[in-house]
Amino acid sequence: AQSVTQPDIHITVSEGASLELRCNYSYGATPYLFWYVQSPGQGLQLLLKYFSGDTLVQGIKGFEAEFKRSQSSFNLRKPSVHWSDAAEYFCAVGLSNFGNEKLTFGTGTRLTIIP
Amino acid sequence: DAGVIQSPRHEVTEMGQEVTLRCKPISGHNSLFWYRQTMMRGLELLIYFNNNVPIDDSGMPEDRFSAKMPNASFSTLKIQPSEPRDSAVYFCASSPGQGRSYEQYFGPGTRLTVT
Repeated sequence: AQSVTQPDIHITVSEGASLELRCNYSYGATPYLFWYVQSPGQGLQLLLKYFSGDTLVQGIKGFEAEFKRSQSSFNLRKPSVHWSDAAEYFCAVGLSNFGNEKLTFGTGTRLTIIP
Repeated sequence: DAGVIQSPRHEVTEMGQEVTLRCKPISGHNSLFWYRQTMMRGLELLIYFNNNVPIDDSGMPEDRFSAKMPNASFSTLKIQPSEPRDSAVYFCASSPGQGRSYEQYFGPGTRLTVT
């Protein structure tokens, strides 16, 4: 079965600094990969997704992620964080076989922004 | 578009009572998902429907939980009888299907407290 690991439970960065959130997956084939963001008291919002093609994908709010097959990773990056980026971030993997729409989510990384 | 609508947003009930959570997916979406989120277990998929048919209910914890989707615009998740360990945030999500099945759009959630 597929699995997703987010090794960092909590990350603190200064406003304006760069950010990288780690995500590793385990799956026999190329999965579909996603990053979601959850603000306090809210549902999850899709930031970006990778299905195939260009391994560097751009998302909303200035985020990007790079799929590295050799490392089984899909890390999320942002060059300069804003206070409004403080939230919980979830990486998710979906199976690439048609008809199975289940997503497996990682345990999340909580991002704190300090002035 | 109003997005995925869930009601109620908050529910407080006593152990043994029946609880019904409601969800209205985004119009035109073919798939609907029910998740449960807790600090201990993270985000868990309970059940998902495609074209109103339950496809995978392997995540439903026990017989006390049931879900229905009588039509394309409405779904319910029922817990009967409720127990304190059912306290969690329950999310409904919908997806467009048709090659974009993995883009799940989440509702704001229902925070359930069972005393």
